[in-house]
Amino acid sequence: GAVVSQHPSRVICKSGTSVKIECRSLDFQATTMFWYRQFPKKSLMLMATSNEGSKATYEQGVEKDKFLINHASLTLSTLTVTSAHPEDSSFYICSALAGQGNYGYTFGSGTRLTVV
Amino acid sequence: QKEVEQNSGPLSVPEGAIASLNCTYSDRGSQSFFWYRQYSGKSPELIMSIYSNGDKEDGRFTAQLNKASQYVSLLIRDSQPSDSATYLCAVRGGGADGLTFGKGTHLIIQP
Repeated sequence: GAVVSQHPSRVICKSGTSVKIECRSLDFQATTMFWYRQFPKKSLMLMATSNEGSKATYEQGVEKDKFLINHASLTLSTLTVTSAHPEDSSFYICSALAGQGNYGYTFGSGTRLTVV
Repeated sequence: QKEVEQNSGPLSVPEGAIASLNCTYSDRGSQSFFWYRQYSGKSPELIMSIYSNGDKEDGRFTAQLNKASQYVSLLIRDSQPSDSATYLCAVRGGGADGLTFGKGTHLIIQP
């Protein structure tokens, strides 16, 4: 089945630095990728939707200049958290959509970001 | 704004019994409905998807959808301790939309 590889699984960074998270579709072409954030004991919140070759669409309240999303190819999307602060510490999960089928959502394994 | 509501629990069920998880959603235009299981610190994994009114069975799991009542449920038969996890209800509006998740129900299966 469809596999999405997400790296790194864990990252600790200093406040003020930037962190890049990669999400790759291994055996299919992901026309659309989604980025979610999950705080402890909370649900997943959709941050943005990216389509290959076009600008990402951000959900209300998500700062596009802080969370930079690049979807340069049909197999790779990246999320860069710029000038990270402790309140950005969270679990970030990507999800890829292959085609338009209802079966198309495949999730990455997630990245635990801790900003110190 | 789309909302998905779930009772956060914890819901405690004895081993071997039926666990019943419920979910309501606000957007009548929603077309696709999903149940995910999430273990602590892990990514969600798909349990069931359902798109039309009625029941859909897969092994020990049965999803039920009632669009008129905007209600989705998941039944787990013969509950096992390994079923202990947080169960997330997710809804999609249409097209290539992202999913709107509920807060999840924490299920505990007591041996």
